[in-house]
Amino acid sequence: NAGVTQTPKFQVLKTGQSMTLQCAQDMNHEYMSWYRQDPGMGLRLIHYSVGAGITDQGEVPNGYNVSRSTTEDFPLRLLSAAPSQTSVYFCASRGISGTAYEQYFGPGTRLTVT
Amino acid sequence: RKEVEQDPGPFNVPEGATVAFNCTYSNSASQSFFWYRQDCRKEPKLLMSVYSSGNEDGRFTAQLNRASQYISLLIRDSKLSDSATYLCVVLTDSWGKLQFGAGTQVVVTP
Repeated sequence: NAGVTQTPKFQVLKTGQSMTLQCAQDMNHEYMSWYRQDPGMGLRLIHYSVGAGITDQGEVPNGYNVSRSTTEDFPLRLLSAAPSQTSVYFCASRGISGTAYEQYFGPGTRLTVT
Repeated sequence: RKEVEQDPGPFNVPEGATVAFNCTYSNSASQSFFWYRQDCRKEPKLLMSVYSSGNEDGRFTAQLNRASQYISLLIRDSKLSDSATYLCVVLTDSWGKLQFGAGTQVVVTP
């Protein structure tokens, strides 16, 4: 099992550019989510999905879109990058029953917007 | 009031000593609890899950107090490699979002 994988690991964007952060998991987890973490701050939920075709907003969704066409993949799209979106982005997945609630994180994407 | 609260620390601990810290949660319906560790600029990694009153894994012990709505983490015989930020995470229901605390920083010194 590769677990949760994210690409790219590092990215530099100019203000106004768009891009997609990729996330994939091979654990057949129903629940996937995206977080951002800024220096000195905790994890903040951007968007999440409880299964293919089902997505919902977290606490900081503005400027981001998601889709879930398969169980494995959950890409995060930045529509028009802004310097305030400079952050580390983590994708995570977990199950929704029994001990499968344990959440696993990808290695993160470090994004800088200039 | 935040749903999950932690003392940010840092807790400065001599190598070999014991350190303990708490996490309080506001939702009495919370079912499952987790401790994660996060090293600087790395992803959080699951340290321990707590589904009943507590759990123990080697030098790490987690205790859940449902009446007072807190969960604690105790680290015995601290190692330099235990230096990290420890995140408390609470799950309210199987479909619910995980609620993260902001983390407690532990620094183990020689």
